[in-house]
Amino acid sequence: AQTVTQSQPEMSVQEAETVTLSCTYDTSESNYYLFWYKQPPSRQMILVIRQEAYKQQNATENRFSVNFQKAAKSFSLKISDSQLGDTAMYFCAFMKGGSNYKLTFGKGTLLTVNP
Amino acid sequence: SAVISQKPSRDICQRGTSLTIQCQVDSQVTMMFWYRQQPGQSLTLIATANQGSEATYESGFVIDKFPISRPNLTFSTLTVSNMSPEDSSIYLCSVSRTQGSGNTIYFGEGSWLTVV
Repeated sequence: AQTVTQSQPEMSVQEAETVTLSCTYDTSESNYYLFWYKQPPSRQMILVIRQEAYKQQNATENRFSVNFQKAAKSFSLKISDSQLGDTAMYFCAFMKGGSNYKLTFGKGTLLTVNP
Repeated sequence: SAVISQKPSRDICQRGTSLTIQCQVDSQVTMMFWYRQQPGQSLTLIATANQGSEATYESGFVIDKFPISRPNLTFSTLTVSNMSPEDSSIYLCSVSRTQGSGNTIYFGEGSWLTVV
């Protein structure tokens, strides 16, 4: 079974600064995907970024980037130029490759961006 | 991406009653998924709904408590039966979409149920 660990229950950052959220996972699979989702107070789960395990290049989406360390089973999210609208719960999630689409989530990190 | 609509977005329910949540997707999908998020917790998969077959339930979830329908490729319902306060949760519908060489999971807005 897969496990996903987010060791930071809460973090805060000043507006315009950079913050990194940590995520580690445990799996014996070689083909898998990793995701970061954002859940603002509206409660909707919004996809932030996706990484395919076979790709060595780190995924980037505008101000969001990941540091994917496959050997270390680490998948951290870096948010640059933090904005007030980035305040949300952030969940790291794992999905096996193939036809199994089940997501395994970490417990989440509450990020607060301060003005 | 995917446009996924859920109804109701929020409801307050009486103990012992049942409520059906609807999920509508903007285009056809093979599989739809139902997740539960209890207060202050992460998401847990309840079941996978395939069109034309019985839903597949995860450990700890049973059909009598969470019956699911999947009448076509764009729609599914989840019923929470005989509700108790422990069922107070956000229930989220999700779908898989092919993106590049793999798949990505997208979520609806969620249905926030409070059982009193």
